[in-house]
Amino acid sequence: GAGVSQSPSNKVTEKGKDVELRCDPISGHTALYWYRQRLGQGLEFLIYFQGNSAPDKSGLPSDRFSAERTGESVSTLTIQRTQQEDSAVYLCASSFDLGGYTFGSGTRLTVV
Amino acid sequence: GESVGLHLPTLSVQEGDNSIINCAYSNSASDYFIWYKQESGKGPQFIIDIRSNMDKRQGQRVTVLLNKTVKHLSLQIAATQPGDSAVYFCAESDTGGFKTIFGAGTRLFVKA
Repeated sequence: GAGVSQSPSNKVTEKGKDVELRCDPISGHTALYWYRQRLGQGLEFLIYFQGNSAPDKSGLPSDRFSAERTGESVSTLTIQRTQQEDSAVYLCASSFDLGGYTFGSGTRLTVV
Repeated sequence: GESVGLHLPTLSVQEGDNSIINCAYSNSASDYFIWYKQESGKGPQFIIDIRSNMDKRQGQRVTVLLNKTVKHLSLQIAATQPGDSAVYFCAESDTGGFKTIFGAGTRLFVKA
């Protein structure tokens, strides 16, 4: 597609449930990133994938968070046993080599 | 840990005036810097970037200045328009752009 697509755009879940967030990057972009943005705050790095290299998972806040990427396409961010502090907008971005990222519009996650 | 921060959390300017948004970074190894604009409900949008071998770069109505001596970055917007109202983030990278750390953001209000 023309841009980075994320789904769902909004997700409300009960505390303790698992959620999966999906990101479709721009075709041909080798790098894919996940960030978390709490209300009124900056972007918190979570994880990035670059080609066939091992992903950099250094930003994942706990072992409840994991992410996978299929080749150089779709990525899924999974949050297990969701907590209220997980409520945030989860942003995905992709890029081709060095350069600015193209972000999706994000998934707004609300844990009730 | 390393961080990128901003001097002013909010900035209010009159339409037509020039805006200057400032940013301090702490990682002296950072060699690539980017400014992003985020409008409400959307993902950040790339505005302009600069590498550490430059101290100034101009785009359309925007200029980024980099002072490596004091680890300071600024974004200048000429003839600010109501459509420039948004949150602006500076970001830094020392890994060729593949792992970018974002600052907390500055909200720009443009008064008509």
